[in-house]
Amino acid sequence: GIQVEQSPPDLILQEGANSTLRCNFSDSVNNLQWFHQNPWGQLINLFYIPSGTKQNGRLSATTVATERYSLLYISSSQTTDSGVYFCAVELTDSSYKLIFGSGTRLLVRP
Amino acid sequence: DTAVSQTPKYLVTQMGNDKSIKCEQNLGHDTMYWYKQDSKKFLKIMFSYNNKELIINETVPNRFSPKSPDKAHLNLHINSLELGDSAVYFCASSQDKRSSYNSPLHFGNGTRLTVT
Repeated sequence: GIQVEQSPPDLILQEGANSTLRCNFSDSVNNLQWFHQNPWGQLINLFYIPSGTKQNGRLSATTVATERYSLLYISSSQTTDSGVYFCAVELTDSSYKLIFGSGTRLLVRP
Repeated sequence: DTAVSQTPKYLVTQMGNDKSIKCEQNLGHDTMYWYKQDSKKFLKIMFSYNNKELIINETVPNRFSPKSPDKAHLNLHINSLELGDSAVYFCASSQDKRSSYNSPLHFGNGTRLTVT
């Protein structure tokens, strides 16, 4: 089956720093989504990004589907950015199933 | 508020019991899901319903039975609970991909199930 790998697995930042999270996938996909799970366990959809680049405030994401990777940029990180970031892909032969990566655990220190 | 809401938030029960988790969405979505998150935070799909029709059943034990009375509700009933069922269960919804190109997934806040 498809492999979805996220790196790094863990990341510690000082408040104000920038970071890049990566998601590699091993097969062609219909779409890719990024999620943030906050320390209270809530899963928030950040981006629906099958290809191209999108920006939302301090966050932006880029997916290069032909090269099978996506990047999530966090600029001027804040303590509220802490949590786990997941990417999830939808296979081309399965329109309703998202396969999740194992996540990047981010801690932003004040 | 428009959202995906699930109840209860916490569920502590003994092995062998039967329990249910309820989920409702008022986003007008056609497709609803159940995901399981294990102790290592790994998220895996269990079921998906589109307009009350089961479309994904990911080799989940038949002790787990989803029920969708209408497209806004998807409940999960679990029989004969086992220790290994302890996890966080998330309900989610999205627009039908056949009618909308842009169909991001929206999650409920999760139900933490502990089986003792």
